[in-house]
Amino acid sequence: RKEVEQDPGPFNVPEGATVAFNCTYSNSASQSFFWYRQDCRKEPKLLMSVYSSGNEDGRFTAQLNRASQYISLLIRDSKLSDSATYLCVVIGSSGTYKYIFGTGTRLKVLA
Amino acid sequence: GAGVSQTPSNKVTEKGKYVELRCDPISGHTALYWYRQSLGQGPEFLIYFQGTGAADDSGLPNDRFFAVRPEGSVSTLKIQRTERGDSAVYLCASSLNGPTDTQYFGPGTRLTVL
Repeated sequence: RKEVEQDPGPFNVPEGATVAFNCTYSNSASQSFFWYRQDCRKEPKLLMSVYSSGNEDGRFTAQLNRASQYISLLIRDSKLSDSATYLCVVIGSSGTYKYIFGTGTRLKVLA
Repeated sequence: GAGVSQTPSNKVTEKGKYVELRCDPISGHTALYWYRQSLGQGPEFLIYFQGTGAADDSGLPNDRFFAVRPEGSVSTLKIQRTERGDSAVYLCASSLNGPTDTQYFGPGTRLTVL
């Protein structure tokens, strides 16, 4: 089993739709979690960190469920410009600080 | 300010050749990371430098891969006897103090081994 798993998609949604992605992780001692966005043939860019209490940044909401070992990303009122691959990142337990990336979930927002 | 830069942006080489990939981190960032990203996959960790020393090189796939950061700034990833399976995008990232800080990625070097 991979350490971090994501549904690769693609998720095709109309403009204005709400879409959610999940990401599961296998190491229950994982400490930190992030969502990165990657446009085609570009580098990953930090979208948001994921906090235990959940956090929101505009149309984006991230949540962490430690009991079930997954994080989620919710995008409301999707824009065409949201089309990208969304990468889940988990930092492992103390003593190792490697970023472990999921394979990414591809989102296409359609006009 | 300037972000992470990587050169070359593209590198085509033949099987068996030696290549060097360069990364110039954000000024003042003490931590530097190398990743490899294959098509349809997320970036895969290779090595992490804190200052001049490799703090974690557990992701290097074999001894054909080596990286240095002699002055704690620019880093070079070196691949000997390249194989077709080494073809990927090699991404460099840097962070201010260490792995708990946000990592900022460079545009990557696309390596193609023929």
